[in-house]
Amino acid sequence: QKEVEQNSGPLSVPEGAIASLNCTYSDRVSQSFFWYRQYSGKSPELIMSIYSNGDKEDGRFTAQLNKASQYVSLLIRDSQPSDSATYLCAVSTGANSKLTFGKGITLSVRP
Amino acid sequence: DAGVIQSPRHEVTEMGQEVTLRCKPISGHNSLFWYRQTMMRGLELLIYFNNNVPIDDSGMPEDRFSAKMPNASFSTLKIQPSEPRDSAVYFCASRGQGGYGYTFGSGTRLTVV
Repeated sequence: QKEVEQNSGPLSVPEGAIASLNCTYSDRVSQSFFWYRQYSGKSPELIMSIYSNGDKEDGRFTAQLNKASQYVSLLIRDSQPSDSATYLCAVSTGANSKLTFGKGITLSVRP
Repeated sequence: DAGVIQSPRHEVTEMGQEVTLRCKPISGHNSLFWYRQTMMRGLELLIYFNNNVPIDDSGMPEDRFSAKMPNASFSTLKIQPSEPRDSAVYFCASRGQGGYGYTFGSGTRLTVV
């Protein structure tokens, strides 16, 4: 069973802090990694993708990938109350293959 | 771009009834996925299609569930007979050729009483 594991939540941080969300995966042939954000009652929305080891930055978001450790993370800098949502880690073995999702971690940003 | 369109948004039905969920993928996308989301189990892949052909249906829980994709612009997920444990949010998602991440529809919240 190929698994994607995320920290048990919820995670609460004060406004302006850095939120760190972590994810590990079991399938060593995984090639593509994604972070989705899901607001309560809404559908998942893709916010970051990463395919190579290292960091990828997009605005306040940074995705980090370490394939040797089978670990991917998402950092949210200057957290805002609007970042409060559930964040889902997803993994696939490449283009045209399915995504396997973690159960998600709920982030709450306190004003 | 109208996005992935699912219907109905909400469905309440009695145990034993047939339920049909519908999905229209983004035009030009050639892969379609059906997921089920519950608090306990998270997002689970039920089945996915490439070019209208079912590729992996290993996530379909049992014979009560069936899915079809008669053409590139329409798919259905049917549950017959429905049971209370089928209550969940069902998402459809689509992806373009050679793509990686996908776009989700708004989901159908199914309640079986």
